Amino acid sequence: DGGITQSPKYLFRKEGQNVTLSCEQNLNHDAMYWYRQDPGQGLRLIYYSQIVNDFQKGDIAEGYSVSREKKESFPLTVTSAQKNPTAFYLCASSIPMGINSPLHFGNGTRLTVT
Amino acid sequence: GESVGLHLPTLSVQEGDNSIINCAYSNSASDYFIWYKQESGKGPQFIIDIRSNMDKRQGQRVTVLLNKTVKHLSLQIAATQPGDSAVYFCAETNQAGTALIFGKGTTLSVSS
Repeated sequence: DGGITQSPKYLFRKEGQNVTLSCEQNLNHDAMYWYRQDPGQGLRLIYYSQIVNDFQKGDIAEGYSVSREKKESFPLTVTSAQKNPTAFYLCASSIPMGINSPLHFGNGTRLTVT
Repeated sequence: GESVGLHLPTLSVQEGDNSIINCAYSNSASDYFIWYKQESGKGPQFIIDIRSNMDKRQGQRVTVLLNKTVKHLSLQIAATQPGDSAVYFCAETNQAGTALIFGKGTTLSVSS
């Protein structure tokens, strides 16, 4: 089945450590996205990439970094500069948004930093 | 700035009732709107979408209405079932048309 795989489902880290969240898709989608969700809140856009080797900052990019070396993969690194990293992180993909298409989401990674 | 909001954070209905979830958006240039359903611990699931050149679109048991005059979007669920209990988000395209901006969500609780 085609879909988006985020791993791991739960991740625990100590404060001050960088951590990388994995996102892989086999939908052959060009565009990929990272959102952050806090309890009782909507989704906020961190970074997105419309094509390999290119990405743009979203609304809350500070303290995060991404890479897009392959079409299938869009890993997100939460750096020690992110002041409140504990959250639920969601990855999504789509055909390019300019065609007005829905995003397909993975089932998220819940990151806890103590 | 860009924002998508919802009128009510929670909605409780009886099984079999029709549910209406509302959403107000601020970007009058948005040309694409989507409703998602999110169950606990999972990613959002696509329900239905609508383009700005339409004012109504129907799916299976769901209808989305778009009123561009007052920048209002609604999701109607017919014959609501316990399995419909979830958080519902509306979303619109950002000003660049390159990503989706989400509202805060409405939690729908269906009692039998």
